[in-house]
Amino acid sequence: EIVLTQSPGTLSLSPGERATLSCRASQSVSSNYLAWYQQKPGQAPRLLIYGASSRATGIPDRFSGSGSGTDFTLTISRLEPEDFAVYYCQQYGSSSPYTFGQGTKLEIK
Amino acid sequence: EVQLVESGGGLVKPGGSLRLSCATSGFTFSSYSMNWVRQAPGKGLQWVSSISSGTSYIYYADSVKGRFTISRDNAKNSLYLQMNNLRAEDTAVYYCARGYGYKNLWGQGTLVTVSS
Repeated sequence: EIVLTQSPGTLSLSPGERATLSCRASQSVSSNYLAWYQQKPGQAPRLLIYGASSRATGIPDRFSGSGSGTDFTLTISRLEPEDFAVYYCQQYGSSSPYTFGQGTKLEIK
Repeated sequence: EVQLVESGGGLVKPGGSLRLSCATSGFTFSSYSMNWVRQAPGKGLQWVSSISSGTSYIYYADSVKGRFTISRDNAKNSLYLQMNNLRAEDTAVYYCARGYGYKNLWGQGTLVTVSS
């Protein structure tokens, strides 16, 4: 089973700043099959990025994903108030289980 | 409208059973793999089970294997999760999610509480 470790656990930033979230895998994620989700309190997760760098439908271009192998990054170029939430990475390159990271909470500074 | 709507959650005693349902609309249900993902209170996301579009492939997390059964009815555009021998650690919001690898559509979730 591939273990995903996200860092930092909590990130405190101000609107307008740049956010960089990390997701590290315990072994290489094949074909860069890595997704990112955003979850706000009381809501279901929402897909942001798939295939490490492809934005899902309707996702603003301030969200971008990068990385390969075992190291992946979600970048939010300029934070908007609605971007403060919890972010999860998920790998789907190996066979089941398709594991999630433990999450990074992005909070307003 | 494309949507997933879960139902069937509630309060159940340890050792009890519950059946969750996920009604879908707005897309060709029979073409998609479907999943159950859960989230314990204040915790992260945990994949529970997946079923392929034609039910040929079914997978379970080790923590629920032998106790939970995923199924689907493509004629009714619905997904199910039969949960038996429930434990306190199964307490969570259970989400229905669409997709084989990444999950591009999620329901709003249904809360399952296992407590005496």
